[in-house]
Amino acid sequence: AQSVTQLGSHVSVSEGALVLLRCNYSSSVPPYLFWYVQYPNQGLQLLLKYTTGATLVKGINGFEAEFKKSETSFHLTKPSAHMSDAAEYFCAVTYISGGYNKLIFGAGTRLAVHP
Amino acid sequence: SQTIHQWPATLVQPVGSPLSLECTVEGTSNPNLYWYRQAAGRGLQLLFYSVGIGQISSEVPQNLSASRPQDRQFILSSKKLLLSDSGFYLCAWTGGTEAFFGQGTRLTVV
Repeated sequence: AQSVTQLGSHVSVSEGALVLLRCNYSSSVPPYLFWYVQYPNQGLQLLLKYTTGATLVKGINGFEAEFKKSETSFHLTKPSAHMSDAAEYFCAVTYISGGYNKLIFGAGTRLAVHP
Repeated sequence: SQTIHQWPATLVQPVGSPLSLECTVEGTSNPNLYWYRQAAGRGLQLLFYSVGIGQISSEVPQNLSASRPQDRQFILSSKKLLLSDSGFYLCAWTGGTEAFFGQGTRLTVV
């Protein structure tokens, strides 16, 4: 069965520091991988996705992620954190089964950015 | 463009009362529709998904049910709410490989 593990439920960084949020997946078929961001009491917004092709994916707000098949990882990074990046981040994997997409999420990582 | 509407935004209900949350999608046809629940401090749990009118699959046994009376309408219901039903409920639809989410409903059962 497909699953997603996010290492670290809380991550705290200083403004201007590197952001690294970790995500590992298990999938018996080639996965599609996503990172979503959620601000308080709001829905989820897509940051970036990997489907096929280039393994380094760039998203919105300066975030990027690299798909590493050998490590079954899809870690999210941003070179320099801003205060506005404070939010909860979810890694997700989707696969097509029986003609529909099934989207499975990790438990989420809450990112805090301090001055 | 496609949009997804979910209401109400917040809801406070007593234990034992019924529940009905509604989600509608515009700008697409025959979407795959999903209900997720996000409990405090926890991730997103897939509750139900639907690939068409009247076709509902449940991911976990629970006190809730879902229905899809129209192509772009997805309803989450309960006959009698439990305290443990409190949480943030999100409706989503998938187009291709990507999922789009509503703004969520914060349900507090008291």
